Amino acid sequence: DAGVTQTPRHEVAEKGQTIILKCEPVSGHNDLFWYRQTKIQGLELLSYFRSKSLMEDGGAFKDRFKAEMLNSSFSTLKIQPTEPKDSAVYLCASSLRQEVFFGKGTRLTVV
Amino acid sequence: GQQVQQSPTSLVLQEGENAELQCNFSTSLNSMQWFYQRPGGSLISVFYNPSGTKQSGRLTSTTVIKERRSSLHISSSQITDSGTYLCAMESNYNVLYFGSGTKLTVEP
Repeated sequence: DAGVTQTPRHEVAEKGQTIILKCEPVSGHNDLFWYRQTKIQGLELLSYFRSKSLMEDGGAFKDRFKAEMLNSSFSTLKIQPTEPKDSAVYLCASSLRQEVFFGKGTRLTVV
Repeated sequence: GQQVQQSPTSLVLQEGENAELQCNFSTSLNSMQWFYQRPGGSLISVFYNPSGTKQSGRLTSTTVIKERRSSLHISSSQITDSGTYLCAMESNYNVLYFGSGTKLTVEP
């Protein structure tokens, strides 16, 4: 069984660029989450979809972060424009009932 | 405010010693999950444990909903157990709220 797949694994962007991160959840899972992980803040929720509907949009991340889920097997996270403080690991996760499974993450560096 | 308090922040053990990691929750929870992460690695689910006690090999998780706490016990620690252990609680919907993690180092 394929787990949660995230691409790319690493991304380097210049300040002001637009980047798009991608996620494929576990087949059949109807909940999808985007988290950001940094050493200082730990894990922070960015977005949560249930059956493709946006349930939570992470409050503080609204202005430059936009997650979309156009179909049940694919989601994107767009950061526009990027800033150096966005450097972090971006994690996608999915679940069916309650146990949550994470992808390997995308390490974003903004210079 | 901080909903999940995890302790200790870090822990150093000699191989063979036991470890007890704690999580306390400030709000009611529907379920909780423990994750393991190596430096630069992904989050691996260790236990999904809404309540009661679960055991898997040398690992035991106990969640007491009424007392809003969960613990992870590692017996006879091994060097390969080194890494960060994170607890996460699920409150509303299925969103997980994470503790700050316990960095475990097991030395020979």
